[in-house]
Amino acid sequence: KAGVTQTPRYLIKTRGQQVTLSCSPISGHRSVSWYQQTPGQGLQFLFEYFSETQRNKGNFPGRFSGRQFSNSRSEMNVSTLELGDSALYLCASSLVGVGEKLFFGSGTQLSVL
Amino acid sequence: EDQVTQSPEALRLQEGESSSLNCSYTVSGLRGLFWYRQDPGKGPEFLFTLYSAGEEKEKERLKATLTKKESFLHITAPKPEDSATYLCAVEPADKLIFGTGTRLQVFP
Repeated sequence: KAGVTQTPRYLIKTRGQQVTLSCSPISGHRSVSWYQQTPGQGLQFLFEYFSETQRNKGNFPGRFSGRQFSNSRSEMNVSTLELGDSALYLCASSLVGVGEKLFFGSGTQLSVL
Repeated sequence: EDQVTQSPEALRLQEGESSSLNCSYTVSGLRGLFWYRQDPGKGPEFLFTLYSAGEEKEKERLKATLTKKESFLHITAPKPEDSATYLCAVEPADKLIFGTGTRLQVFP
């Protein structure tokens, strides 16, 4: 059974650019959630999608957005990048939501210069 | 405000030296408390879910317990392969709040 796949693995951008990250969940999982991980703040919840609908959102500015497709694959977009957006972005999938066992991908390491 | 605090930040143990990691929380309406393990360069891996005070779960050398204010992850006779960062998370209303983790190093 394939795990959660995130692409790309590494990304370097400059301030002001935008970026799109991709997440393919485990087959059959309908919930995809996204997290930002930094050394100082730890893992912070960004948002969760279930059946193409955003169900919940963390305390991040509107520059952070996402979407989910009919095959449950999800994308996360960050516009007008800032230096502070440098982080490891993780996605996780599960059958029905964040309140159960989550399967995480290995993440996308984003560096903003 | 919902909050999770983990201690210690880092822990160094000799192989076989048992210890405990702490996760204290303040949350309105706890639905579940989760423990994950994260190895360098990888995403977190699920260990346990606890739902109510008094509940305990075990897996190999790990045992997780839950009270109304905190959870403990007990590690009995650890081995070097137990070295990792251990993350605690709570679920209040369809989102997860993580602590910053305890980085455990076990030396042979």
